[in-house]
Amino acid sequence: DAGVTQSPTHLIKTRGQQVTLRCSPISGHKSVSWYQQVLGQGPQFIFQYYEKEERGRGNFPDRFSARQFPNYSSELNVNALLLGDSALYLCASSLAPAGAFSAGELFFGEGSRLTVL
Amino acid sequence: AQKITQTQPGMFVQEKEAVTLDCTYDTSDQSYGLFWYKQPSSGEMIFLIYQGSYDEQNATEGRYSLNFQKARKSANLVISASQLGDSAMYFCADDDGNKLVFGAGTILRVKS
Repeated sequence: DAGVTQSPTHLIKTRGQQVTLRCSPISGHKSVSWYQQVLGQGPQFIFQYYEKEERGRGNFPDRFSARQFPNYSSELNVNALLLGDSALYLCASSLAPAGAFSAGELFFGEGSRLTVL
Repeated sequence: AQKITQTQPGMFVQEKEAVTLDCTYDTSDQSYGLFWYKQPSSGEMIFLIYQGSYDEQNATEGRYSLNFQKARKSANLVISASQLGDSAMYFCADDDGNKLVFGAGTILRVKS
C-alpha cells in the first residue's frame, strides 16, 4: 500500500511569490495534518483537516492556508513568501479525527523542501 | 501548553552498544501520550514507540524501549544493540489534542 505522498519534493521560490504543496493521504485515511520544520528544529503544527473541515490551526499567519478535497487529499498554500518560510513541509495522515492520536496512527510523508531566495 | 525538551543536540554511540536519548515534558493534562519518531536524511518521520500516561509498563518495540518516569516527567528512549542504520535525528513528541508538539531533536551517530 502506498504511504503518504507529497509533491513537489523540492522547490525554489523567490520572496513575494506564492507556493502550493500537495499531499495524498494513505488510502482510507480521512485526516490530514501539515507541519513546518525549519532547519535544526522540530516540526511545528500548521493545520489539521478532517472530513474536509479545518479542525485545528497552529500559530501561523494568514498567508498560510489549506484545504482538503473530497478524495481527502490536501493542499497547503503559502502567499507572499518570506525567507523565513524556507523549511521542510511535512504532511501526515491518520484514520482518527482530531484529538484521538495514539500509537502508530499518525503517518508522515517525506516532505516538500521549500527554499525561498 | 505542552513543551518537550531534548537537551542532547548530538550523541555518538558505538555499533552494538545501547544508547539513551533524553526527553522531558511539561504538561498539565492528566491524560497524555508521548511519542518518539526517527527522521533519516530523507525527511520522513518514522514512528518508533508510544507511551500512554496511564500505561503501567514501559513501552517496548523490538530494540526500542521507553524509560517512562512520570514523577520526573521524563520519557527517555533506549536503543539497544545500535546499528549503523540508526544514525538519524530523533524527536520526542507529546500529543496536544489535535496535534503533536515536538522537541528540538537529537542527532544520533552510530560509529563502526
